[in-house]
Amino acid sequence: NAGVTQTPKFQVLKTGQSMTLQCAQDMNHNSMYWYRQDPGMGLRLIYYSASEGTTDKGEVPNGYNVSRLNKREFSLRLESAAPSQTSVYFCASSERRQTHNEKLFFGSGTQLSVL
Amino acid sequence: EDKVVQSPLSLVVHEGDTVTLNCSYEVTNFRSLLWYKQEKKAPTFLFMLTSSGIEKKSGRLSSILDKKELSSILNITATQTGDSAIYLCAVEYGNKLVFGAGTILRVKS
Repeated sequence: NAGVTQTPKFQVLKTGQSMTLQCAQDMNHNSMYWYRQDPGMGLRLIYYSASEGTTDKGEVPNGYNVSRLNKREFSLRLESAAPSQTSVYFCASSERRQTHNEKLFFGSGTQLSVL
Repeated sequence: EDKVVQSPLSLVVHEGDTVTLNCSYEVTNFRSLLWYKQEKKAPTFLFMLTSSGIEKKSGRLSSILDKKELSSILNITATQTGDSAIYLCAVEYGNKLVFGAGTILRVKS
């Protein structure tokens, strides 16, 4: 059981380049999330998808777009990368039951550097 | 402004020591508080505490929620080098989940 799988693990971009981070989960979870982690700032939510077919902005959505391709896959796109987007990106999923249990399962992260 | 604050930012202890990590929060419509351990990469779930369950324990780790003080502590007894990690606290309130900055724990042998 792979859990949450992210690709790529590392990426270096030049300012202005675009790229898509891929995420897939095999736990049949309804909700999926994209976070970024910066030193001293904890994990900040970029976008989330509460269920297949829906997406919503999180705390820091500017400069990003997402696609919930199906129940398993949730991608994050940087249309024009900026140095401020240098960070570690985590995809996560949760069952999102009615009790609002936010026990998240995380992928192993993508280290992105924008030069 | 709603916020989640963890302390200390970092600490170094020796194997066998007991450590206490703190998480305080100022939020409205509190639902739950979660603790995660982040070693090299992906954070992994440790505990979830809600108003109906204020103490959890698993082996050498335990956590208590103080609803009056709006805080939680994570205790690790008889620490081991494998406990070295970043410990993240997250608070769920309303329809949001907000993480603290984390505490970096290093256990020296």
